[in-house]
Amino acid sequence: EAGVTQFPSHSVIEKGQTVTLRCDPISGHDNLYWYRRVMGKEIKFLLHFVKESKQDESGMPNNRFLAERTGGTYSTLKVQPAELEDSGVYFCASSPHPGTSGRAAGELFFGEGSRLTVL
Amino acid sequence: DAKTTQPPSMDCAEGRAANLPCNHSTISGNEYVYWYRQIHSQGPQYIIHGLKNNETNEMASLIITEDRKSSTLILPHATLRDTAVYYCIVKSNFGNEKLTFGTGTRLTIIP
Repeated sequence: EAGVTQFPSHSVIEKGQTVTLRCDPISGHDNLYWYRRVMGKEIKFLLHFVKESKQDESGMPNNRFLAERTGGTYSTLKVQPAELEDSGVYFCASSPHPGTSGRAAGELFFGEGSRLTVL
Repeated sequence: DAKTTQPPSMDCAEGRAANLPCNHSTISGNEYVYWYRQIHSQGPQYIIHGLKNNETNEMASLIITEDRKSSTLILPHATLRDTAVYYCIVKSNFGNEKLTFGTGTRLTIIP
């Protein structure tokens, strides 16, 4: 079973530019999450999709961040325009529906992350 | 989510059992204890979870006290590859509730 894949693994951009991060969840996983870790801080929740719908976007820092999951498959996270404080590692995770998979609701499968550096 | 308290760092000799404590004194009846770890430069990895009974899988054992106010993750035979930050998280089993990471315990396995 292929795991959660994220692209790019590392992106270096200048302040004011746009970056789009992509996440391909494990096939069949309805739940998709974005988290990020900025330098020296804890891993923070950004948002949660259930299929194509945003279930919880309470962690999105501001309107420069836009997440989409068209068709309920892969997801993109766009940062426009990027600021210095956006630098960090962005993690995507997916999980199946707990009622049908037998897995616990908190058992998430994480990708390796996309490291974003804003200069 | 109930908050958890973990020591910031621990060392363990290679081959010995690593016992990582976690306090969650305000845990509520429907909240599970989850453990994750993050090995340097990798994404977080699920290890184990439990409600009130002790649990064991191929990675670790989880011991939860009878009053559920604390738990211990046990790596029975630690290897160098177990060096990571370990996170204890409490969460209900409702799918809509997000997983919240704290500061965790940085475990270093000493050769």
